Amino acid sequence: AQSVSQHNHHVILSEAASLELGCNYSYGGTVNLFWYVQYPGQHLQLLLKYFSGDPLVKGIKGFEAEFIKSKFSFNLRKPSVQWSDTAEYFCAVIYSGYALNFGKGTSLLVTP
Amino acid sequence: EPEVTQTPSHQVTQMGQEVILRCVPISNHLYFYWYRQILGQKVEFLVSFYNNEISEKSEIFDDQFSVERPDGSNFTLKIRSTKLEDSAMYFCASRTGTGYEQYFGPGTRLTVT
Repeated sequence: AQSVSQHNHHVILSEAASLELGCNYSYGGTVNLFWYVQYPGQHLQLLLKYFSGDPLVKGIKGFEAEFIKSKFSFNLRKPSVQWSDTAEYFCAVIYSGYALNFGKGTSLLVTP
Repeated sequence: EPEVTQTPSHQVTQMGQEVILRCVPISNHLYFYWYRQILGQKVEFLVSFYNNEISEKSEIFDDQFSVERPDGSNFTLKIRSTKLEDSAMYFCASRTGTGYEQYFGPGTRLTVT
């Protein structure tokens, strides 16, 4: 079955630390890849997306992600996190059609 | 900036009752979706809707569920006879006809007692 795996369920970082959240998907064909963020009390917001082209994509708020086809991965990175980055982060993949398949999410807590 | 809105924010209902969750997608969007997230689990796709008909649905979306776009602005999800396991956060999303990005509403928390 097509799936999306997020390896880290809970991450705690100090401000200014670097962040990398892992995401792997299970399908070898063409996929569309997304990272969504949900800040406390808010709705899901799109951070960034990859459809084709440059495998290094930049999103909002200094986030970026790299698509590595050979590893079926789409890891999210940020060089220096801030307290305001505390949120739940979801990797999502469209395998076919237009339905998003979500990972279980990673809860990030950034401490001052 | 236009947003997807959902009402109510929290709905409590008794098992066996019918509930209707409402969504107002972004006005120029053409594709509409419902997802749900049971507490502690991942967000799951339920159904997508385009041109006044269901375009995709998951195994979760059985005969107890239905969707409707009763007018030009609302998009509803009906659960005919709620079960305890229907308790979840239900998210509505919409997108344009050309882009893949889906824009999500704030969700309705459904509690079935």
